[in-house]
Amino acid sequence: TQLLEQSPQFLSIQEGENLTVYCNSSSVFSSLQWYRQEPGEGPVLLVTVVTGGEVKKLKRLTFQFGDARKDSSLHITAAQPGDTGLYLCAGVRGTYKYIFGTGTRLKVLA
Amino acid sequence: EPEVTQTPSHQVTQMGQEVILRCVPISNHLYFYWYRQILGQKVEFLVSFYNNEISEKSEIFDDQFSVERPDGSNFTLKIRSTKLEDSAMYFCASSRDREGAFFGQGTRLTVV
Repeated sequence: TQLLEQSPQFLSIQEGENLTVYCNSSSVFSSLQWYRQEPGEGPVLLVTVVTGGEVKKLKRLTFQFGDARKDSSLHITAAQPGDTGLYLCAGVRGTYKYIFGTGTRLKVLA
Repeated sequence: EPEVTQTPSHQVTQMGQEVILRCVPISNHLYFYWYRQILGQKVEFLVSFYNNEISEKSEIFDDQFSVERPDGSNFTLKIRSTKLEDSAMYFCASSRDREGAFFGQGTRLTVV
C-alpha cells in the first residue's frame, strides 16, 4: 500500500504564526500535489511539484518536494483565519492514480 | 474557469437499490476518476478511466461498481445494489496529465 502520512494531524495556531505540514512516504512519486478541502466540498488543487528538490510558492504558501521524491512539506507564513481547512497531499505513482494522504486539519484563530 | 460538475449533490437511497452518480469532467481532460470519502476519513481512490476503459481500480471497486462514459461529456458511477457502508461523499475528478486532478463538489450518498 502506497501510504502517505501527514503530520501533524491537527494544528491550531494563532493568526500571524508560521507553520509547516509534512507529507511522508516510503514510496517514490512521479509528482505530488497539495489540495485544500473545505467541509462538504471537493478538494481544491493548490500546487503540483514534479522535480526532486523543487520549491514552489503561492503567496504565503511554500511547497517543497523532497530530493528523493518521497516526501513534501507545506509551509505557511503569517497564517490567517482564511487558511483554516483540511490540507491534503496526494502522490502520483505509475499510472494516473492520485493517492491521498491522511490529511492535516488546520485551524487559525483570530 | 472550467470545472467538474456532479449531480445530484445529495442522493438518498434504500439499501439494495441501484444508484447512478453523474459527472461532467473538464472538456479537454483525458483521465477521469472516482473517489469516495466516508465522513471524517481520508479520500479513497476507487477507479481511474482512460481511453474508454478502466486503467486502474482499488479493492473497494468490486463487482457492485461500474463506470461508463456513455457520450463525449458524461462520466458515471453505478452502484448496483447499495449497502449501508456505501454511504459517503463521492467525488469525480479529471486530469489532463499528472499535473493534478480537478475535483467536483461531490455527491453525498446516503443509504438507508
